[in-house]
Amino acid sequence: GNSVTQMEGPVTLSEEAFLTINCTYTATGYPSLFWYVQYPGEGLQLLLKATKADDKGSNKGFEATYRKETTSFHLEKGSVQVSDSAVYFCALRGSGGYNKLIFGAGTRLAVHP
Amino acid sequence: SAVISQKPSRDICQRGTSLTIQCQVDSQVTMMFWYRQQPGQSLTLIATANQGSEATYESGFVIDKFPISRPNLTFSTLTVSNLSPEDSSIYLCSGSLQGYTGELFFGEGSRLTVL
Repeated sequence: GNSVTQMEGPVTLSEEAFLTINCTYTATGYPSLFWYVQYPGEGLQLLLKATKADDKGSNKGFEATYRKETTSFHLEKGSVQVSDSAVYFCALRGSGGYNKLIFGAGTRLAVHP
Repeated sequence: SAVISQKPSRDICQRGTSLTIQCQVDSQVTMMFWYRQQPGQSLTLIATANQGSEATYESGFVIDKFPISRPNLTFSTLTVSNLSPEDSSIYLCSGSLQGYTGELFFGEGSRLTVL
């Protein structure tokens, strides 16, 4: 079945550091891929998405590229801020009709001044 | 995007009681879903809320424990019945827009603590 694997956290960085959170997936066909962010005490917000191979999703300085050859969708940001401290979830929706959204375990990011 | 609001935002309940969570979405939302997020864990889909009919439950979730209603397009309730401490979680309502492409919008969640 479909699954998502994320790097374990927590990830602790200093402000302005480069961020990478790894995400790999297992799915048949051509899934759609998503990154969600959950700030402390809040619900999930969609951060970015990609619906086909080689697509790059981007938002708020974050980027992720859909790599079918490596089944990956790693999240990157060139210079993190304290306000980026949150939990980040990678997710996928399988192809072919209605399929539920499957989430990875989440990666907690803490950014210090 | 879509506006999704839930209440209560948090509650503390006694073992053996029930809690009903309400979710209101705006008119753009077509499909509604309920998720559970156990402490420190990822999200698990409980069920799809179907308008005017029984919800579609995922494996491991049953109607007796998690009755769900969706009397109209923009409103749904999730009840967590016969509470035990293991039910302490955040319960999240979510919705998708017309032409479902997998992208979901979430409410702020309802944090339940069972004593």
